[in-house]
Amino acid sequence: AQKITQTQPGMFVQEKEAVTLDCTYDTSDQSYGLFWYKQPSSGEMIFLIYQGSYDEQNATEGRYSLNFQKARKSANLVISASQLGDSAMYFCAMREYSGYSTLTFGKGTMLLVSP
Amino acid sequence: GAVVSQHPSRVICKSGTSVKIECRSLDFQATTMFWYRQFPKKSLMLMATSNEGSKATYEQGVEKDKFLINHASLTLSTLTVTSAHPEDSSFYICSARAPDSPGQFFGPGTRLTVL
Repeated sequence: AQKITQTQPGMFVQEKEAVTLDCTYDTSDQSYGLFWYKQPSSGEMIFLIYQGSYDEQNATEGRYSLNFQKARKSANLVISASQLGDSAMYFCAMREYSGYSTLTFGKGTMLLVSP
Repeated sequence: GAVVSQHPSRVICKSGTSVKIECRSLDFQATTMFWYRQFPKKSLMLMATSNEGSKATYEQGVEKDKFLINHASLTLSTLTVTSAHPEDSSFYICSARAPDSPGQFFGPGTRLTVL
């Protein structure tokens, strides 16, 4: 079974609008971390935001916020006031802290921001 | 902080040759580094986990004799694609786990084209 599910292969948004990228996860661990990365066409993976499973507050980093709903096992990324430079592939990832832990990635969502 | 470099950024080689890709953590020591492979418009696929001073741990289906990994120091891991073939053409990305950080920091990637 997939551990990270991103159901939106592509999303379109107009500049200055907000957009939500969906991510659901599957784990039986109590301790885990959720991450969002941005990958522009250059290929580099840019870390955006992190949410720990025990964090009670939703993480925020500038225009990025993570809507963490633990009971629903969802960790959606919200980008406020979209900019043209936000056009990129976005990956949700999870790291389970028990045992052999590494990042597991979702399939990604391609975001296109139009003027 | 937490910068990871990768060299070369792009390489074109003939079928049958070997190619070495270097991954360096520039401002921190990384006991664990990871190597990923990414096909166009696909997610990152973990190939192996590289541990300083010990053998790499390969994911299922990854040929360890084909993809040689060496983690000789706390700041350097290398991936050697031996006897490369056109099907090995891909985008290879390394990442490193920084101390006291829950996530991983990624290098800029290496685009390998085997003719």
